[in-house]
Amino acid sequence: DTEVTQTPKHLVMGMTNKKSLKCEQHMGHRAMYWYKQKAKKPPELMFVYSYEKLSINESVPSRFSPECPNSSLLNLHLHALQPEDSALYLCASSQVFGGGWNGYTFGSGTRLTVV
Amino acid sequence: GQQLNQSPQSMFIQEGEDVSMNCTSSSIFNTWLWYKQEPGEGPVLLIALYKAGELTSNGRLTAQFGITRKDSFLNISASIPSDVGIYFCAGTTGTASKLTFGTGTRLQVTL
Repeated sequence: DTEVTQTPKHLVMGMTNKKSLKCEQHMGHRAMYWYKQKAKKPPELMFVYSYEKLSINESVPSRFSPECPNSSLLNLHLHALQPEDSALYLCASSQVFGGGWNGYTFGSGTRLTVV
Repeated sequence: GQQLNQSPQSMFIQEGEDVSMNCTSSSIFNTWLWYKQEPGEGPVLLIALYKAGELTSNGRLTAQFGITRKDSFLNISASIPSDVGIYFCAGTTGTASKLTFGTGTRLQVTL
């Protein structure tokens, strides 16, 4: 299995809703990442988990809450989001933090719309 | 922090033409990655480069790790319509360092 699987593919949520994005990989990668991508821009790093511990939080607002229940799963809990948080949210994994062999593998993303 | 400048920003070419794009930095990188992203999808890794001067091919794609370690090039030969997308370079400056993305090159292929 050489994939990163993200669910759901699309999500529309109100500003008072609570929702979660899910990411799964079974490549034995020990680093997992959340990125946010706006239209026509490169992905921007949000969080890094290395060996299931949060290593980097790129000053992300607390309305985004990551969780790494085990080495294969990564969640992003969303609460009280703003319309400007609408974006493509990408999950990625790599053998170790920083890459390792074969770089980073990205999922297909969750297209989030906040109304 | 590190910044990767990609050029050109966009390209409109005819099917069958060859394409060249590059990525430059003011800092030294020890890994260069080239990704392609199609609308509504995540980036897909095309080529990974780990050594200065390295030249690697993947089908019609060829990428090089610049000898100064501050740049990388991607060439696509005999373009076809399915080459359409945004091509991102990305790199890391060392072990346990963040992945820095370039600004992207948008490729359009006309018949």
